[in-house]
Amino acid sequence: KQEVTQIPAALSVPEGENLVLNCSFTDSAIYNLQWFRQDPGKGLTSLLLIQSSQREQTSGRLNASLDKSSGRSTLYIAASQPGDSATYLCAVDGPFNKFYFGSGTKLNVKP
Amino acid sequence: NAGVTQTPKFRILKIGQSMTLQCAQDMNHNYMYWYRQDPGMGLKLIYYSVGAGITDKGEVPNGYNVSRSTTEDFPLRLELAAPSQTSVYFCASSDPTASDTQYFGPGTRLTVL
Repeated sequence: KQEVTQIPAALSVPEGENLVLNCSFTDSAIYNLQWFRQDPGKGLTSLLLIQSSQREQTSGRLNASLDKSSGRSTLYIAASQPGDSATYLCAVDGPFNKFYFGSGTKLNVKP
Repeated sequence: NAGVTQTPKFRILKIGQSMTLQCAQDMNHNYMYWYRQDPGMGLKLIYYSVGAGITDKGEVPNGYNVSRSTTEDFPLRLELAAPSQTSVYFCASSDPTASDTQYFGPGTRLTVL
């Protein structure tokens, strides 16, 4: 059974810092890995999707990497801003696009 | 497009009551999903559907039922509510022929007392 772990569970940084969120998964037979953002009391917003054949994806200040063989992904956020404060979830999918989620990293960016 | 919509937003149930959580999408997606999220945890898949008339169990299906009579709608039924079903429920949809991205609704916060 696929297990997804995210470290750290919470992170607090001053504005302007670069930071890295980590995600690991136990079964490397994945189709894709996706990073989501969740604001308090809200649904999930997709940030980046990396297909299993890709190594990384970039969107603005966000860069996600994937090392399928080692079962790891990182989300790099450059020049963090208070508006980046949220919970970040990673998820891996298998057949039928079924996703397995980590428990998230709660990020607080202090002004 | 409204995307994925869910009703109600909040609900309090007594133990043993039943209810249906509604989910609809207007993106013509064949795949739809129900997840639950307990406090401080990630999402766990309850049921999913790959098209009208086809449903299957996810990781945590006990205590729930689903149906998929149309492409647009995917209701989740709780027959005998239990405190362990207190959670936030999210519906999602996707079209794997176009993209593997899942689109999520805003969630239903359910409390069972």
